[in-house]
Amino acid sequence: GNSVTQMEGPVTLSEEAFLTINCTYTATGYPSLFWYVQYPGEGLQLLLKATKADDKGSNKGFEATYRKETTSFHLEKGSVQVSDSAVYFCALSDKNQGGKLIFGQGTELSVKP
Amino acid sequence: NAGVTQTPKFQVLKTGQSMTLQCAQDMNHNSMYWYRQDPGMGLRLIYYSASEGTTDKGEVPNGYNVSRLNKREFSLRLESAAPSQTSVYFCASSENRLANYGYTFGSGTRLTVV
Repeated sequence: GNSVTQMEGPVTLSEEAFLTINCTYTATGYPSLFWYVQYPGEGLQLLLKATKADDKGSNKGFEATYRKETTSFHLEKGSVQVSDSAVYFCALSDKNQGGKLIFGQGTELSVKP
Repeated sequence: NAGVTQTPKFQVLKTGQSMTLQCAQDMNHNSMYWYRQDPGMGLRLIYYSASEGTTDKGEVPNGYNVSRLNKREFSLRLESAAPSQTSVYFCASSENRLANYGYTFGSGTRLTVV
């Protein structure tokens, strides 16, 4: 079945450091891919998405490129801020499997001043 | 603000008690979902409703029931709460079951069963 695997956290960075959170997926079809962010005590918010191979999703300085050849959707940001501290979830939606979102286990990011 | 509203935000139950978690969305979405979030396990789908009048089991449905009351509302019921159901519960909605644009989530219900 479909699945999403994320790098384990927590990830601790200093402010202005470069961020990469790895995400790989397994899917039978051609899924849409998403990154969600969860700030402490809140629900999940959609951060960015990509619906086909080679698409790049971007928002708030975060980027991720849909790589079909490596089945990956890594999240990157050039310069993190303390306010980026949150849990990040990678997810996929495969219309061939009913379209429901399947989530990775989440990666906690902590950014220190 | 438009979105998904969940009530209550916090709840403590004794083992064996029952309760219903409420969820309502005002975005005219067709599909709605209930997830639970546990440390190190991401989000796991409990039940979903692809459209008004339909409900289906997700990954972890045991111990839960749902009702799609109308297009706006989708409730989750615990008939006899168990400590294993201690979790944070999230309701979500999407335009349709294909979720091309992702889901909109509520802010969650933190449930403790003692």
